[in-house]
Amino acid sequence: DAMVIQNPRYQVTQFGKPVTLSCSQTLNHNVMYWYQQKSSQAPKLLFHYYDKDFNNEADTPDNFQSRRPNTSFCFLDIRSPGLGDAAMYLCATRDRGERVLDEQFFGPGTRLTVL
Amino acid sequence: SQKIEQNSEALNIQEGKTATLTCNYTNYSPAYLQWYRQDPGRGPVFLLLIRENEKEKRKERLKVTFDTTLKQSLFHITASQPADSATYLCALGGSYIPTFGRGTSLIVHP
Repeated sequence: DAMVIQNPRYQVTQFGKPVTLSCSQTLNHNVMYWYQQKSSQAPKLLFHYYDKDFNNEADTPDNFQSRRPNTSFCFLDIRSPGLGDAAMYLCATRDRGERVLDEQFFGPGTRLTVL
Repeated sequence: SQKIEQNSEALNIQEGKTATLTCNYTNYSPAYLQWYRQDPGRGPVFLLLIRENEKEKRKERLKVTFDTTLKQSLFHITASQPADSATYLCALGGSYIPTFGRGTSLIVHP
């Protein structure tokens, strides 16, 4: 089945130790998003890619970076995680090609714990 | 600034009743509004989309209304079941980047 996959599902890191979260999709969608969601809060957009065009939200901390080496894969790098970065990180895709779909397809998320 | 409000208190209802969830917004003129379901520890799943020129949309037991004058959307689940228990998020957008609300938790009791 076509889907959005996130690895790992659970990630534990130490304060200040770099961590990379990965997302892959088999939907061939040209838009990919990274969201941060804390408990009982709205998903907060960190970045999105429209094809290879990278878009950084104005309030995304410099500590967060992203890479999209090809259509299928996207990575979220947290250079020096702080306790406040503990959250669920959600990857999503959307098709903005010839056949425009109205919905975002989300992965299952990666739960990040910072010790 | 743009604001999306969803009731932070959980909605508790009895199985078989109709659940109604509310999404209010201010300082925004969205072209569309979406509703998603999110289960604990999982990513949101798309349910319905309604556009600014539509008043109502239905899908099986789900119904969404959109009142751009009141700046409000209502999400109804008829004949609710315990399996409908989840958090329901609304999202508003004008392009391919929607803004999400924090969601309302629905608990359906058997």
